[in-house]
Amino acid sequence: NAGVTQTPKFQVLKTGQSMTLQCAQDMNHEYMSWYRQDPGMGLRLIHYSVGAGITDQGEVPNGYNVSRSTTEDFPLRLLSAAPSQTSVYFCASSYSNRGAEAFFGQGTRLTVV
Amino acid sequence: SQQGEEDPQALSIQEGENATMNCSYKTSINNLQWYRQNSGRGLVHLILIRSNEREKHSGRLRVTLDTSKKSSSLLITASRAADTASYFCATVANAGGTSYGKLTFGQGTILTVHP
Repeated sequence: NAGVTQTPKFQVLKTGQSMTLQCAQDMNHEYMSWYRQDPGMGLRLIHYSVGAGITDQGEVPNGYNVSRSTTEDFPLRLLSAAPSQTSVYFCASSYSNRGAEAFFGQGTRLTVV
Repeated sequence: SQQGEEDPQALSIQEGENATMNCSYKTSINNLQWYRQNSGRGLVHLILIRSNEREKHSGRLRVTLDTSKKSSSLLITASRAADTASYFCATVANAGGTSYGKLTFGQGTILTVHP
């Protein structure tokens, strides 16, 4: 099993550009989520999904969109990148939404200039 | 807002010593989890303790949970240089519906184990 795969690993964007961070899991997990990690802030939840076709906002959703058309994929879209979105982004999945352990991808380091 | 507060923010010990990290949280929880993050890598799940459990062991890890004080501790015994990493607690709120899967993380403890 590959687990949770994120692409790209690194990305530099100019302010105002848009892009999609990809996340795929091969464990047939229903629950998927996106976090951002900033120094001294821990991880903060951006968006999450409890199954295909169902998404909801987390703690810091502004400036981001998600969709979940399949169980496997959960892309995160930055609509118009801002320097405040410079961060490390992690995708995670778990086999249920009942508080089970989460499996994390290796992260995408995004810099917005 | 962050659910968990971790203490200390950084811990430096010698190989063979025990390391203790603490986590406090604010709301009623379903369970509390500990994760490890090596520099530049993703998080790896270490252990999960449910709200009706008080102590749990896994290898060199021992986790305690005190729901009356809304706190947890992670003890790593006989530490090794390879244990050097950041350690995070994460809580799952005791709420219904889709809230179960939402992890709320603390800010983490940076552990350095010197050979």
